[in-house]
Amino acid sequence: GQNIDQPTEMTATEGAIVQINCTYQTSGFNGLFWYQQHAGEAPTFLSYNVLDGLEEKGRFSSFLSRSKGYSYLLLKELQMKDSASYLCAVRDLRGGSYIPTFGRGTSLIVHP
Amino acid sequence: SQTIHQWPATLVQPVGSPLSLECTVEGTSNPNLYWYRQAAGRGLQLLFYSVGIGQISSEVPQNLSASRPQDRQFILSSKKLLLSDSGFYLCAWNRDHKSRVSGNTIYFGEGSWLTVV
Repeated sequence: GQNIDQPTEMTATEGAIVQINCTYQTSGFNGLFWYQQHAGEAPTFLSYNVLDGLEEKGRFSSFLSRSKGYSYLLLKELQMKDSASYLCAVRDLRGGSYIPTFGRGTSLIVHP
Repeated sequence: SQTIHQWPATLVQPVGSPLSLECTVEGTSNPNLYWYRQAAGRGLQLLFYSVGIGQISSEVPQNLSASRPQDRQFILSSKKLLLSDSGFYLCAWNRDHKSRVSGNTIYFGEGSWLTVV
C-alpha cells in the first residue's frame, strides 16, 4: 500500500517563502506530483519529479529524494492567490499499472 | 488538444436513490481513466481506475460501481446512495500507464458536487 504524509495546514506572509513537505512510503515508485487546488475547484498540475534533485518553474520549485522518500514544494514571493490546498501524489506500480495516489493535502493560508 | 468533461456539476439526491455521473475525454485515445472522491477538508481518495474498455479496478469497497462502455467514457454509479457518499467527485485521465519515463500528468474534470440528503 501507500502512505503519504504532509502537514494539514500552514500559514505564511505575502512576499515570503514557504516549504511544504511530503513524505511517502511505497513500492514501485515512479514519480511524484504536486498539484494546487483552490476551494471548490479541480486540482491543477504544478510539477513532476522522478529523479532526485530540484526542479524549478518560476516561483515554484519541487525537490525529490527517493532514498529518503521525501519531497518538498517551495513557493517563493508568496501572493494572496497562492492560498490553496497543495496535494502531493505518488505514482507507483499496482497490478501492472502506474497509478497515482494523493495525500490529504496541505492547506496554505497566505495573509498580508 | 485534449479535454475532459464531467456532469452533472452539482446534484442533491435523497438517501436510497440511484446515482450516475458521466465523464468523457476528447482528443486522445486509450486514456487511463480515474474516479476520485474528496470529502470536505480531505484529500483525494481513489475510487476506481480503468486502463481500457471494460477494465475496471476498484480501490475501496463501497456501494459505488464504475463502467467504461467506450474508450473515452467513464461512468460512476450507485443503486442506492448513502449519506456518506456526499462529496466532490473528480474524473481524471492520463496516458500510457506503462511508461516509466514521461510524467503522465493527470488532468482533472471540473468536478461534481454530490449532496445526499
